[in-house]
Amino acid sequence: GENVEQHPSTLSVQEGDSAVIKCTYSDSASNYFPWYKQELGKGPQLIIDIRSNVGEKKDQRIAVTLNKTAKHFSLHITETQPEDSAVYFCAASTGGSYIPTFGRGTSLIVHP
Amino acid sequence: DVKVTQSSRYLVKRTGEKVFLECVQDMDHENMFWYRQDPGLGLRLIYFSYDVKMKEKGDIPEGYSVSREKKERFSLILESASTNQTSMYLCASSLPGTGQETQYFGPGTRLLVL
Repeated sequence: GENVEQHPSTLSVQEGDSAVIKCTYSDSASNYFPWYKQELGKGPQLIIDIRSNVGEKKDQRIAVTLNKTAKHFSLHITETQPEDSAVYFCAASTGGSYIPTFGRGTSLIVHP
Repeated sequence: DVKVTQSSRYLVKRTGEKVFLECVQDMDHENMFWYRQDPGLGLRLIYFSYDVKMKEKGDIPEGYSVSREKKERFSLILESASTNQTSMYLCASSLPGTGQETQYFGPGTRLLVL
């Protein structure tokens, strides 16, 4: 089955800095890669996703890149703000499955 | 907006008790999921369901069962709670089909088994 590795487990940055979270996956058939943000006391919420036919996707201060050859994808957050502090999960799934395999999560702390 | 609600935010139970965790979604989603979240282990799938009365085991089904009698409701059952089932439990729902993979999560139930 699919295995998703996520690094780092904890990331501490100063407000205004950029943050990068990286994930690798094992199943070359995976073609959908979502990122979820979990704020304290809440369930995870989708913030951005990318499909295997796209190399990069941006939405304001967040972007995701995908390297299919190397089987890794990354989340980039620019100009971080304290409200970006949360746990971020990457995931991978195949189109026919709709059941994502999640990484173990990254706790992002943005210091004011 | 999709809303997924879970019956309790916090639960304290005794070892050996039967525990019911309820999840309700209001967007007519076919797919529903139960996850367990533990520090450093991420989200692990316990059970999922593609339709009413249908259930499939996830990665860690041991010690759990589920029930889906109505489309909007998916229940997780701990037949005899044990201390190693102390955890955060998250319910999620989604639609089937490519382009519909987004999972919508409830706020979670934090279960403590004494």
